Amino acid sequence: EVQLLESGGGLVQPGGSLRLSCAASGFTFSSYAVSWVRQAPGKGLEWVSSISGSDGSTYYADSVKGRFTISRDNSKNTLYLHMNSLRAEDTALYYCAKGEGHLAAGAVDYWGQGTLVTVSS
Amino acid sequence: QLVLTQSPSASASLGASVKLTCTLSSGHSTYAIAWHQQQPEKGPRYLMKLNYDGSHRKGDGIPDRFSGSSSGAERYLTISSLQSEDEADYYCQTWGTVVFGGGTKLTVL
Repeated sequence: EVQLLESGGGLVQPGGSLRLSCAASGFTFSSYAVSWVRQAPGKGLEWVSSISGSDGSTYYADSVKGRFTISRDNSKNTLYLHMNSLRAEDTALYYCAKGEGHLAAGAVDYWGQGTLVTVSS
Repeated sequence: QLVLTQSPSASASLGASVKLTCTLSSGHSTYAIAWHQQQPEKGPRYLMKLNYDGSHRKGDGIPDRFSGSSSGAERYLTISSLQSEDEADYYCQTWGTVVFGGGTKLTVL
């Protein structure tokens, strides 16, 4: 059974940093693309970043480019999102999502339950 | 620019059928999409991948009541024999980089 378990969310001041983690199980982690998708309170889904399962290529939404860094540790079956220079508009529930294949471009076929990030003074 | 357009809301009666629409932007009419369901206070759940020819591959445990079809730039999700637990937000998703539609809130009357 595929499982994605996010952690690391919390309350942080504007300008601060946070690192999210996603522990994956139930599939060969290194072979699949994984992504972060967020959902602000009362809003829809917004793609944040993806990392491929083949060569580790990374992709970012314009809204987070230069501030967020996605990475993966295949030996630990874990995905990360390093978030710097956080803003109030980054407040959201952050979901970890598994891709259907090794390319970052593809359908999301499994979701985690999310971890909440609140940026406020 | 790759954009997905969904109606903000839809409604149908218990036991009836409903067809939700996701429209691909101009120049992207052959793209595949995925449909996802998000029940209240829950994380999203993958329903299916839907190709331009209407063929689709459903996720684990998705009931036969859920089906997909395509016509030109439009991708459809049909839910038959509506149940109360089908009341949810439905999102379509495609990729070049990952893109989501704005979602359709389905109310079961």
